[in-house]
Amino acid sequence: DAKTTQPPSMDCAEGRAANLPCNHSTISGNEYVYWYRQIHSQGPQYIIHGLKNNETNEMASLIITEDRKSSTLILPHATLRDTAVYYCIVRVTGSARQLTFGSGTQLTVLP
Amino acid sequence: EAGVAQSPRYKIIEKRQSVAFWCNPISGHATLYWYQQILGQGPKLLIQFQNNGVVDDSQLPKDRFSAERLKGVDSTLKIQPAKLEDSAVYLCASSAGQWTLPTNEKLFFGSGTQLSVL
Repeated sequence: DAKTTQPPSMDCAEGRAANLPCNHSTISGNEYVYWYRQIHSQGPQYIIHGLKNNETNEMASLIITEDRKSSTLILPHATLRDTAVYYCIVRVTGSARQLTFGSGTQLTVLP
Repeated sequence: EAGVAQSPRYKIIEKRQSVAFWCNPISGHATLYWYQQILGQGPKLLIQFQNNGVVDDSQLPKDRFSAERLKGVDSTLKIQPAKLEDSAVYLCASSAGQWTLPTNEKLFFGSGTQLSVL
């Protein structure tokens, strides 16, 4: 599975959009981009995933560049409860391969 | 819908002692995972089960770690004997998808067991 690069930390003001970048320049055509987050003292929580089209759900939006070498997770109106470590992962779906977590981005939402 | 249940929540033991963690996945989930998360790092997979069979245990330190998933439902992870470097949070996760099918799998994680080895 392709590796990802994320900034180690970011801050965001409460109520503003949080834009979390992820670089996956070696992604293959059959690899999906997944985002999980981990709030302190909890297990990781699935947020969203996509292949090449932009995706949106009740939690967030995922914007994948046309060349698929990078993506951005957008939390449209960040709240204090969104403070967490956000993991960007790429993997082949439909295979037995596990999710491989990197170090992620620590997002701190400031009041 | 009930989530992934893990117990105990915390465990403190001395080195060379043994310890066991229990996990009950979401009902009907065929795949179960055990992850180890050391402070400041992302979770690392230890073992993956499909029903009651092992799919991947390549990163499980088999000289001291063992895991089983009897009847394809709940699972137990054991460490014997424990070392100081085993201090970590042990996370259990489950997913519904069969790995042989082209499904986009979501993993559901429990809150983990925090192990301190003194």
